[in-house]
Amino acid sequence: DGGITQSPKYLFRKEGQNVTLSCEQNLNHDAMYWYRQDPGQGLRLIYYSQIVNDFQKGDIAEGYSVSREKKESFPLTVTSAQKNPTAFYLCASSKGGGREPHNEQFFGPGTRLTVL
Amino acid sequence: EDQVTQSPEALRLQEGESSSLNCSYTVSGLRGLFWYRQDPGKGPEFLFTLYSAGEEKEKERLKATLTKKESFLHITAPKPEDSATYLCAVQVIGRDDKIIFGKGTRLHILP
Repeated sequence: DGGITQSPKYLFRKEGQNVTLSCEQNLNHDAMYWYRQDPGQGLRLIYYSQIVNDFQKGDIAEGYSVSREKKESFPLTVTSAQKNPTAFYLCASSKGGGREPHNEQFFGPGTRLTVL
Repeated sequence: EDQVTQSPEALRLQEGESSSLNCSYTVSGLRGLFWYRQDPGKGPEFLFTLYSAGEEKEKERLKATLTKKESFLHITAPKPEDSATYLCAVQVIGRDDKIIFGKGTRLHILP
């Protein structure tokens, strides 16, 4: 089955620690995205990548970092510089990287990060 | 400023009671509008894409429509399993073709 996987499902972190969230897709999609979802708020874009070895900051990139070394993988690191990291993190992918007409995004199951 | 607003924030219906969810948008140029369904603790599930005013798409009890200012998600004779949060997103024509999500409508269908 084609799809997007995220791991782990739940993650606990102590203050001051960096942590990396995994996102893998086997849909052969070019574009991948990371969102943060907080209660009562819409999805907010952290980073996105339209092609391997290239990525762009989204609206709330501060305190986060990403890499895109392979088409299938787009890991997100939450650094100790992120002031309020407790949230639900969603990874998504889409066939096109922007101006494509079919740019609907397909989401993974999410990772819930809690900072203790 | 580009903006997407969904209403109502929450909606409770009896099973079989049809209704509509609204997604109004103010953007410089619309490339596409997307509807998603999200169950608690899970990632959003893609439902529809609409590209131009007048377009309609259907899937089971759901029908999405689009005008130049808003989109409606019509739910006909809903069942309890339709309970979820429904998210609307728009893709804005521009340098980055960014996608903006609304905050969603929480729908609860009572048996």
